[in-house]
Amino acid sequence: KAGVTQTPRYLIKTRGQQVTLSCSPISGHRSVSWYQQTPGQGLQFLFEYFSETQRNKGNFPGRFSGRQFSNSRSEMNVSTLELGDSALYLCASSPSGHTDTQYFGPGTRLTVL
Amino acid sequence: AQSVTQLGSHVSVSEGALVLLRCNYSSSVPPYLFWYVQYPNQGLQLLLKYTTGATLVKGINGFEAEFKKSETSFHLPKPSAHMSDAAEYFCAVSPYNQGGKLIFGQGTELSVKP
Repeated sequence: KAGVTQTPRYLIKTRGQQVTLSCSPISGHRSVSWYQQTPGQGLQFLFEYFSETQRNKGNFPGRFSGRQFSNSRSEMNVSTLELGDSALYLCASSPSGHTDTQYFGPGTRLTVL
Repeated sequence: AQSVTQLGSHVSVSEGALVLLRCNYSSSVPPYLFWYVQYPNQGLQLLLKYTTGATLVKGINGFEAEFKKSETSFHLPKPSAHMSDAAEYFCAVSPYNQGGKLIFGQGTELSVKP
């Protein structure tokens, strides 16, 4: 099976812009989670989608949003970008979440100038 | 709130030496626990996980971890380090009844000297 894919791999944006990141899960996986990784804050949970519904949400401002499509592909959007949004954004998929192993994609490196 | 603490942000050992990566969790109920490894410019790869049952868990690359409820620990020892083990290691907990959410520790960067 193909692994989790994320596009694009690298992005450079300027403050105030918005950005959309995409994640394609492993075939058959219905849970997709998003994480932000920074040197200062480490790995932080953004949100999880399961069957097109947001099931869990982390402590991030409303500028961070996401959605999941019927084929389980997911997108996350960040509006009004700030310098502090520069990070590696990782998505992970699993069959149903819970105790399932989460399989991570390679991430999207976002740089905000 | 549940949390994970990894002792030591950097660990350096010689090749062939014992490695011990430490992880403690806080949880009112036994959680599900995971160790992930991240190589440079890559995503995270599962090393091993504990859900229920046997407290000694075997993973990939010769790693094992022991769940100790009395100590709220899930340390990751390896008897003999290889150069290929150099990476960043993350301990994570899946809170009870919160779907696919993982709470990660701050990570431990392992360096292996020849």
